[in-house]
Amino acid sequence: QSVLTQPPSASGTPGQRVTISCSGSSSNIGSNYVYWYQQLPGTAPKLLIYRDNHRPSGVPDRFSGSKSGTSASLAISGLRSEDEADYYCAAWDDSLSGPVFGTGTKVTVL
Amino acid sequence: QVQLQESGPGLVKPSETLSLTCIVSGYSISSGYHWGWFRQPPGKGLEWLEWIGSINHSGSTYYNPSLKSRVTISVDTSDNQFSLKLSSVTAADTAVYYCARDNNLGTPDYWGLGTLVTVSS
Repeated sequence: QSVLTQPPSASGTPGQRVTISCSGSSSNIGSNYVYWYQQLPGTAPKLLIYRDNHRPSGVPDRFSGSKSGTSASLAISGLRSEDEADYYCAAWDDSLSGPVFGTGTKVTVL
Repeated sequence: QVQLQESGPGLVKPSETLSLTCIVSGYSISSGYHWGWFRQPPGKGLEWLEWIGSINHSGSTYYNPSLKSRVTISVDTSDNQFSLKLSSVTAADTAVYYCARDNNLGTPDYWGLGTLVTVSS
């Protein structure tokens, strides 16, 4: 189903830094912006990063995004208990003529 | 603050047309951006999210090729809202439907809360 691949899980203790990868291809990440979303069960997605590395107002600067070639990453520094959630990358795909979303990464705060 | 709110029936019969409206506040649709509809199967993660289509303020539409034959999205700038119609629904169309403002086509920055639509007789 998903064309953007993420690790299924990531974890860290409070205060640590966690990085989530997102691997795609030339038709999506390689040629279009990457977005990162957080989703808690039963709620709408929340935008964390837009256009590869921009943070919306209200999102803590603990969250940062980067992109290189056909891969992107989301970093969470100073991990907090409220960061425990599912995280997804997304990008437009020129071959599919639609957006594609990542397989999702569940972040656990130990 | 941009806010979006979906409204419409929570239950639709098979073969009928699903109709939803998204009321936008805090931003004028006429000012720009694309405005989109998405759906997510109940209880599934965002990897199952499906883009249905989007529309801009002038009425130009962009549809998911797999749903294009059944979808109509329209915009009413005077009431600052946009709408979705999905025809000939089946149980496979049961989902949580979201409206959203697209930061770039198909990738939202603001989302509605979502509304569950069940297709059943």
